[in-house]
Amino acid sequence: EVQVVESGGGLIQPGGSLRLSCAASGFTVSSSYMNWVRQAPGKGLEWVSLIYNSGSTYYADSVKGRFTISRDSSKNTLYLQMNSLRVEDTAVYYCARESDDFGHFQHWGQGTLVTVSS
Amino acid sequence: QLVLTQSPSASASLGASVKLTCTLSSGHSNYAIAWHQQQPEKGPRYLMKLNSDGYHTKGDGIPDRFSGSSSGAERYLIISSLQSEDEADYYCQTWVTGIRVFGGGTKLTVL
Repeated sequence: EVQVVESGGGLIQPGGSLRLSCAASGFTVSSSYMNWVRQAPGKGLEWVSLIYNSGSTYYADSVKGRFTISRDSSKNTLYLQMNSLRVEDTAVYYCARESDDFGHFQHWGQGTLVTVSS
Repeated sequence: QLVLTQSPSASASLGASVKLTCTLSSGHSNYAIAWHQQQPEKGPRYLMKLNSDGYHTKGDGIPDRFSGSSSGAERYLIISSLQSEDEADYYCQTWVTGIRVFGGGTKLTVL
């Protein structure tokens, strides 16, 4: 069974850093297209970042230069390093695996809450 | 620019049918999309991938009550025999190289 489980969220002050993890089972992270998606309180879904199976990475303009997506094949885990955090980064962050024919999100995690506040 | 447009809200009665719409921006009318459901206080769940010709493939365990269709730049999610647990937010999603895009979501109320 395909499963992804996020962790690492918490309360952090503006300007701080946090690393989110997404532990995968039932598939190989390095062979998949993997994404981070966030949802601010009471708002819709916002795509954040994508890593291809080739290792190419992509970011939404709102996080470019501050966030870094990566993966560890030995741990079958996806990461999101978030630096220079802002109040507007407060959201539930979801990890999502794309389908084998790529493009659409087929498997979602339950999310981890990041709160940026002083 | 690739944009998906959804109505903010919709409502229908228990046992009835409802058709939710997602509209692709100009120049992108042949794009496939996906539909996702988000029940209150839960993470999103993949419902289906929907092509421009109306062909759709559903996720594991998605009931037959959920179907999709297409017309031009519009993509539809049809839910028949509405049940209380169908009350949720519904998002359409599409993609190009290096970018993933969500619609603003439609909040469905089951009366």
